[in-house]
Amino acid sequence: KNEVEQSPQNLTAQEGEFITINCSYSVGISALHWLQQHPGGGIVSLFMLSSGKKKHGRLIATINIQEKHSSLHITASHPRDSAVYICAAVGGDTDKLIFGTGTRLQVFP
Amino acid sequence: DTAVSQTPKYLVTQMGNDKSIKCEQNLGHDTMYWYKQDSKKFLKIMFSYNNKELIINETVPNRFSPKSPDKAHLNLHINSLELGDSAVYFCASSPLEGGYYNEQFFGPGTRLTVL
Repeated sequence: KNEVEQSPQNLTAQEGEFITINCSYSVGISALHWLQQHPGGGIVSLFMLSSGKKKHGRLIATINIQEKHSSLHITASHPRDSAVYICAAVGGDTDKLIFGTGTRLQVFP
Repeated sequence: DTAVSQTPKYLVTQMGNDKSIKCEQNLGHDTMYWYKQDSKKFLKIMFSYNNKELIINETVPNRFSPKSPDKAHLNLHINSLELGDSAVYFCASSPLEGGYYNEQFFGPGTRLTVL
């Protein structure tokens, strides 16, 4: 079992829908990254957070370190949001970066 | 201006060969990384370099050797290539302070195919 689990693995949505992608981890962590991998393969860093909530445009990321859970929300989803979203946890003791398996999102017009 | 660049974009080679992938960043960052993404799209950290010093080697076979001539470059040399080395390799960089506690900037990736 992976130390960092994402759900769902695959997600389809209609344009305009509110999207939630979850990331839970079984190890103690000190921070967590959300990454976006485009269909062409390029990877973009969306957020790095260690507590609370961050917002950038239509994207919102939250984390609860005690509950070992983070969520990525997309409001008013658009077909250009179609990508794989990956969370990566920074191990609290080891400073190791542990990746989730990714969530493939497809938004249809 | 490309922030993190990698060459080549595609690399096809025979088993047993030695090859290199180059990475350059023009962001002035002090920390650079190499990641491997396997056929199932799972990412794993391979190496991290901070100011030309190796700070992480995630149980990578010693056939893989990172080389950093200066803080803007981190090249990956692979000796005696094996079929299982086929993957996409990503280079990334981040500012000095905090390493993993900072946003990372990724290169476009190099798809390596070993025949």
